[in-house]
Amino acid sequence: SYGLPQPPSLSVSPGQTARITCSADALPKQYAYWYQQKPGQAPVLVIYKDSERPSGIPERFSGSSSGTTVTLTISGVQAEDEADYYCQSADSSGAWVFGGGTKLTVL
Amino acid sequence: QVQLVQSGAEVKKPGASVKVSCKVSGYTLTELSMHWVRQAPGKGLEWMGGFDPEDGETIYAQKFQGRVTMTEDTSTDTAYMELSSLRSEDTAVYYCATPSWRGYFADYWGQGTLVTVSS
Repeated sequence: SYGLPQPPSLSVSPGQTARITCSADALPKQYAYWYQQKPGQAPVLVIYKDSERPSGIPERFSGSSSGTTVTLTISGVQAEDEADYYCQSADSSGAWVFGGGTKLTVL
Repeated sequence: QVQLVQSGAEVKKPGASVKVSCKVSGYTLTELSMHWVRQAPGKGLEWMGGFDPEDGETIYAQKFQGRVTMTEDTSTDTAYMELSSLRSEDTAVYYCATPSWRGYFADYWGQGTLVTVSS
């Protein structure tokens, strides 16, 4: 098993770009996924397979990967993007692993 | 479109067990790989276990081995998660979650079930 370190918090002004990183030594072998969670709600998948965006997710959400780091980018942040964001992957046994979460604050 | 509807909130005493259900509609349970994730108050997401289609078995997070059992009733398309020997640290919202195609992720989530463990 391995951990997925994420920054605990990030603050950006509306219209700016937010970048949230997630690192793991096993990421080159497994895809990463990103979830958005607003208070009192279930998580919502916003990026799958490192960089794919599910239908219904705004184009301002994008994902990328480089070596052992994956990044969720929100371009032109809006007030409604204020939420907790979690990265997730899986180890070689199929066990899921979540990052600790990043609280995005829109100033 | 998959819909996952979970059972209602529970209050349990330390040492007791809890069984949370997750009713599937839109798909049959046999078409899905159900997982369970929990979230303690103010904390992050924690994977508990789920069905791995690669080997056809349910796998559990090491932390919960021996204390959690995940089962399915395909006749009613309902998945269950039972956690035993409850302690206060098990107070959390429990989610069922599943991918709509093969993969180690979830694009469908239940609404969550709050389990409170208190004497």
